[in-house]
Amino acid sequence: ETGVTQTPRHLVMGMTNKKSLKCEQHLGHNAMYWYKQSAKKPLELMFVYNFKEQTENNSVPSRFSPECPNSSHLFLHLHTLQPEDSALYLCASSQTEAYEQYFGPGTRLTVT
Amino acid sequence: GQNIDQPTEMTATEGAIVQINCTYQTSGFNGLFWYQQHAGEAPTFLSYNVLDGLEEKGRFSSFLSRSKGYSYLLLKELQMKDSASYLCAVRESGGATNKLIFGTGTLLAVQP
Repeated sequence: ETGVTQTPRHLVMGMTNKKSLKCEQHLGHNAMYWYKQSAKKPLELMFVYNFKEQTENNSVPSRFSPECPNSSHLFLHLHTLQPEDSALYLCASSQTEAYEQYFGPGTRLTVT
Repeated sequence: GQNIDQPTEMTATEGAIVQINCTYQTSGFNGLFWYQQHAGEAPTFLSYNVLDGLEEKGRFSSFLSRSKGYSYLLLKELQMKDSASYLCAVRESGGATNKLIFGTGTLLAVQP
């Protein structure tokens, strides 16, 4: 595998379910990000991890819970989501001091 | 506050030149990025400007004027595969992380 991978690519869940999104980067980067992309809206930064430490939480509701066990893996744990949380969730990574972020293909989440 | 504006949609003809504008108002500035995103795919990096002027990379060029809070992406010799959404993003200054603020994107349709 190369670049940034995300699983699953598609997810449908009910509002009472608990699920997790997984992201893995094979680029040796030290920073990882979660973004939310909704139709007709800008990419919204959710969380930033730098050397496994969370450095940014962009006022994200607690029903989204990130986890970064090491610099290569990032998870987003989901529970009691709302239909308005349906969106494309993108993971990205970068070198700490570099300017370019590499994005994964995203997980298309539908909350029913 | 933070505000990044770009046109929602544009249409151009194969073989022509198109310019996609982006204006920004952010609390700090440490570079401007352009990303290309095809439908259902991850955003991919196109260009980066931190100093005023024009950066050319093949058929794509990007221009920045920091005093005017303005950038444009110029696409030459348009091809059908250039049909995609083009995202303008500003990197905020300060901090150790690479926080990007994105515009809503410009959906470019290239017609034969």
